Amino acid sequence: GAVVSQHPSWVICKSGTSVKIECRSLDFQATTMFWYRQFPKQSLMLMATSNEGSKATYEQGVEKDKFLINHASLTLSTLTVTSAHPEDSSFYICSASYPGNTIYFGEGSWLTVV
Amino acid sequence: DAKTTQPPSMDCAEGRAANLPCNHSTISGNEYVYWYRQIHSQGPQYIIHGLKNNETNEMASLIITEDRKSSTLILPHATLRDTAVYYCIVRPSSSNTGKLIFGQGTTLQVKP
Repeated sequence: GAVVSQHPSWVICKSGTSVKIECRSLDFQATTMFWYRQFPKQSLMLMATSNEGSKATYEQGVEKDKFLINHASLTLSTLTVTSAHPEDSSFYICSASYPGNTIYFGEGSWLTVV
Repeated sequence: DAKTTQPPSMDCAEGRAANLPCNHSTISGNEYVYWYRQIHSQGPQYIIHGLKNNETNEMASLIITEDRKSSTLILPHATLRDTAVYYCIVRPSSSNTGKLIFGQGTTLQVKP
């Protein structure tokens, strides 16, 4: 069964608004989670590392003020896309390191900005 | 940049074995080889990983060459549901962060 869960699976929002995506580790604690973005017909691109209790680490070229990451507990990380624009429409995926060091991914969240 | 090279696409007949190659010629001694697959519109699914020995689980087998510069993922009896993009990734065994860098992967099409 799934060990990492994302919510919502898909969301539509108006341009200029903010939208939050949740990533939960199920039945295990994850001090570190990761957020990826994937455009159609492309591979996954790592956006940022979410660290419980501290600031996220962003990859080069990713705007930290636009993609707010909060990892307030050992089982939950959130990604907030602020002032969303149509070009932010994408598939957002999170992952977490399961005990034993295997990485598991969430189901992904489709964001459409209209 | 990804440290692996995979063919962009492959076809396989249903019921036959699918053999997906991966080159990782710059792999370091402490790096594992991981395989994931992504079925359309879903998050990547873990398949298998290994360091130097061949590995097998309920999903697949992983064959790593002796020099560790390449590996092959084997799906013994491919089904239509195995149609997906398969990613080969190298990751340090000492890493406890889980950061994975994805290449373009191999699109496997299983045909009836």
